[in-house]
Amino acid sequence: NAGVTQTPKFQVLKTGQSMTLQCAQDMNHEYMSWYRQDPGMGLRLIHYSVGAGITDQGEVPNGYNVSRSTTEDFPLRLLSAAPSQTSVYFCASAKGGEQYFGPGTRLTVT
Amino acid sequence: AQSVAQPEDQVNVAEGNPLTVKCTYSVSGNPYLFWYVQYPNRGLQFLLKYITGDNLVKGSYGFEAEFNKSQTSFHLKKPSALVSDSALYFCAVRDPNNYGQNFVFGPGTRLSVLP
Repeated sequence: NAGVTQTPKFQVLKTGQSMTLQCAQDMNHEYMSWYRQDPGMGLRLIHYSVGAGITDQGEVPNGYNVSRSTTEDFPLRLLSAAPSQTSVYFCASAKGGEQYFGPGTRLTVT
Repeated sequence: AQSVAQPEDQVNVAEGNPLTVKCTYSVSGNPYLFWYVQYPNRGLQFLLKYITGDNLVKGSYGFEAEFNKSQTSFHLKKPSALVSDSALYFCAVRDPNNYGQNFVFGPGTRLSVLP
C-alpha cells in the first residue's frame, strides 16, 4: 500500500493564482482531512470528509474548497492564493480513531 | 470544545537520560489521546494512543505515555533518550462523540537530545 500520497511536494504561487493540491489514499478509509501547519500553531483543520460526497468545514476553511467524488481522492483547492496561505499542508485519512498522514506540500505565496 | 496544550516549546535532554514531553487536554467526554512525531521535512508519524483500559500506554520506538484523568494529562515518556529521538512531537485529542471535528492538535514540542 502507498498509504496517503500528496502532490506536489513544493509549489510557489503568485498572489491571486489558483491551484489544487492533490491527495489520495489506498486504504479505503472513509474519513479524510486537510490540515495546515504553521510554526508554533500545530496543525489546524481546514476541511474534512466523512465519506464520498460529504464534506464539511474545519477550523480555518476560508479561501479553500474541497470535494470528495471518490473514497480515494480528496483534493484541496485554493481559489485565489494569498500570502497568508503560505504554509505546509497535510492530508490525512483515518480509520478506527487513528490518522495516517501524507508527506505534505510546502506552499509559498508571493 | 476540545483543546490541547503542550506547555513547553522546547525540551532538551542528554542522551541516555529519561525524557518527558508534557500534554494536557480539555474535552467534554472521555477522550481519545494520541502522540505523533514529525521528523524534518516529513509528515506526522503515529507513536501511540489511549482509547480505554490501562492508563500506561506503550508505543513505537520505546515511547510510552500515561493517561491521568484527574490531571487531564497525557505525558509522553521514554526511559533512555536517543539522539535520533530529536524531532517535533504533537499531542492530539479526539472527542469520540464528535466525529466530524475529529482531531485537535497541540502546538508541538521540539525535543532535542544532546549527545
